[in-house]
Amino acid sequence: DTAVSQTPKYLVTQMGNDKSIKCEQNLGHDTMYWYKQDSKKFLKIMFSYNNKELIINETVPNRFSPKSPDKAHLNLHINSLELGDSAVYFCASSQGSGNFYEQYFGPGTRLTVT
Amino acid sequence: EDQVTQSPEALRLQEGESSSLNCSYTVSGLRGLFWYRQDPGKGPEFLFTLYSAGEEKEKERLKATLTKKESFLHITAPKPEDSATYLCAREGSSASKIIFGSGTRLSIRP
Repeated sequence: DTAVSQTPKYLVTQMGNDKSIKCEQNLGHDTMYWYKQDSKKFLKIMFSYNNKELIINETVPNRFSPKSPDKAHLNLHINSLELGDSAVYFCASSQGSGNFYEQYFGPGTRLTVT
Repeated sequence: EDQVTQSPEALRLQEGESSSLNCSYTVSGLRGLFWYRQDPGKGPEFLFTLYSAGEEKEKERLKATLTKKESFLHITAPKPEDSATYLCAREGSSASKIIFGSGTRLSIRP
C-alpha cells in the first residue's frame, strides 16, 4: 500500500507551458506539504496545508499555486514554466501542524523544463 | 539567517567501520531536529526527532544525539545497505519554517 503517491513521476515540458503535479496520501494525516529539491540536493519547503487550509507559503513565485480539494490530496499547479523550475518536487504528509513532526514523503516528481 | 550545515559532504567507509555524521545549525530556540535517510530516486524516510540537548535516540545501527549547537548521527558497524544520503533538518525560528541541510552521502563498501 502506497502511503504518499505522486503523479507523474517524470515530467518533461517546454518553457512557457502550464503543468500540474498530483499528490495523494492514504495515511489519514491532516497536514500536507510541497518541497522542491534542487540539483544540489537542498530540500526547501514551498507550501503546507492543514485540513485544506494554507498554513505555510514560503517565498515562491506566484506561478506556483497549490490546491487542496480535501485532506488527502494536495496538487501543485505551475504556470509559465521556466528553466529554473527544473527540480524534483516532493509531496509529504504528517499528522498535526505547528510542529513538523514525522513527515512521510512521496517518491518525487522530476520536472525537466527545456 | 537560520542555517543548517552538514559535514562531511560525502563519506566512504568500509563495512564495519564506525563513524559519525555532523549537523550544525544557527537556528535559535528550542525546536525539533530531524534526521532523514534518502535513497537515490526516492523521497526522504524519517529516522529520528530530537527536541532537547542531551537527548539520544537509537534505531538499529544508528544513534542520533543532540547538543545546543549540533547533532550527530553515529553509525556503528555499518553494512552496505546503510549506504544513502542522510539529511538533517531543523525547525526554524518561526514555527512555519523547516530548514534542511544538503546532506551527507554515505557509502559503505563490502
